[in-house]
Amino acid sequence: KAGVTQTPRYLIKTRGQQVTLSCSPISGHRSVSWYQQTPGQGLQFLFEYFSETQRNKGNFPGRFSGRQFSNSRSEMNVSTLELGDSALYLCASSQHENLYEQYFGPGTRLTVT
Amino acid sequence: KNEVEQSPQNLTAQEGEFITINCSYSVGISALHWLQQHPGGGIVSLFMLSSGKKKHGRLIATINIQEKHSSLHITASHPRDSAVYICAVGETSGSRLTFGEGTQLTVNP
Repeated sequence: KAGVTQTPRYLIKTRGQQVTLSCSPISGHRSVSWYQQTPGQGLQFLFEYFSETQRNKGNFPGRFSGRQFSNSRSEMNVSTLELGDSALYLCASSQHENLYEQYFGPGTRLTVT
Repeated sequence: KNEVEQSPQNLTAQEGEFITINCSYSVGISALHWLQQHPGGGIVSLFMLSSGKKKHGRLIATINIQEKHSSLHITASHPRDSAVYICAVGETSGSRLTFGEGTQLTVNP
């Protein structure tokens, strides 16, 4: 089976712009979670989707949003980018709900200038 | 106080040494995960535990639910084990993972 894929792998944006990141889970996996990793804050949970429903959301401002499609692919969007949004954004997929073994994608490195 | 605390933050070992990384948590959990992150960012899930002990090759993970503590052991360490090891807990009240700050392991030949 192909692993979790994320696109793009690298992205440079300017403050004030918006960005959309994509995550394709492993075939058959219905849960997708998104995480942000920064040197200062480490890994932090953004949100989790299961069968197109957002089940949980982390402590991030409303500029961060996401969705999941019927084929389980997920996108996250960040509007009005700030310098502090520069981070590695990781998604992980799981076959079941309730956080059974998660498989991580390679991440998208976002740099905001 | 962080909900998930790891120790040590940094660990340097000589090839062949036995290594232990500890994780303590303060919330009720459904499962605890050990993750490995190599330079460049790729994360691999090593173990998911809800009780007892699991072994995979040279890696052993244990969890004590009553004491809210888990350990990751590496036997016969090798330079290729050099990475950041991250403990993460899935809380019983929801579907999110909370992460420790990670342990940077360097194994010298």
